[in-house]
Amino acid sequence: AQSVSQHNHHVILSEAASLELGCNYSYGGTVNLFWYVQYPGQHLQLLLKYFSGDPLVKGIKGFEAEFIKSKFSFNLRKPSVQWSDTAEYFCAVRGGNAGNMLTFGGGTRLMVKP
Amino acid sequence: NAGVTQTPKFQVLKTGQSMTLQCAQDMNHEYMSWYRQDPGMGLRLIHYSVGAGITDQGEVPNGYNVSRSTTEDFPLRLLSAAPSQTSVYFCASSSLAGGGPDTQYFGPGTRLTVL
Repeated sequence: AQSVSQHNHHVILSEAASLELGCNYSYGGTVNLFWYVQYPGQHLQLLLKYFSGDPLVKGIKGFEAEFIKSKFSFNLRKPSVQWSDTAEYFCAVRGGNAGNMLTFGGGTRLMVKP
Repeated sequence: NAGVTQTPKFQVLKTGQSMTLQCAQDMNHEYMSWYRQDPGMGLRLIHYSVGAGITDQGEVPNGYNVSRSTTEDFPLRLLSAAPSQTSVYFCASSSLAGGGPDTQYFGPGTRLTVL
C-alpha cells in the first residue's frame, strides 16, 4: 500500500534558524506532491505543490521544497523561520496506482520560539 | 465565494446514534473528499468523489457512507456512531489536474465526540 512518511513529529526552533522537514513516499511512477500548513485555529492551506518541471518548487511565505525522485522525497525547507511559522505541516502525495486518492503524512508540529 | 462550508462545527453523539455531516462548495470543483484528523496520524481519507453520482472509498471508509447528488454537496453519514469515530472531520474540494486532485480547499472542520 502507498504510504507517506514524515519522520519529524515535533520540531522546536528558535527564530532565524533554518528549517527542513522530511517527507518520503513509498510508490513509484508519476507523482503529484503537496505541502499543506495548518496554523493554529485556521483551515489547512496549500504551501506549495509539484506536478512536473523544475524539481525545486517555491511556495508562499518563503518556503520551498525539492523533489528528489531517486530518494522518493519531497522535503520542505525555509532558510530562516519566524514565530508566525508555528503550525502543523503536512506532506501529501498522489501517484502510482493511487488513482484519485491523495495520501497525507502524519504531520510535523513546528514550534518557533521568539 | 464562501469556499468550502461544513456544518455543524461541533457535535456530541451517543454510541449507536446516526448523523450526517454536511459539506458544500461553491467553486464548481469536480473533486470532493472527506478526511478525519487524529493526533499523530495526519489526515486519513474516508471517501472521495470525482463528480456527481461518482463516489469511491478511501483509506478508512468503514462506518461511513457518502453520496454526491450534486456538484456542490457531499454529505458524510455516520451510520451507527462508535467512540473510535471521535475525531475532527474535514471536507475538501479541488479541481482535477494531471488526472487527479489538484490543490485541496479545506472546510473549517467538524469536531465530533462519540460518548
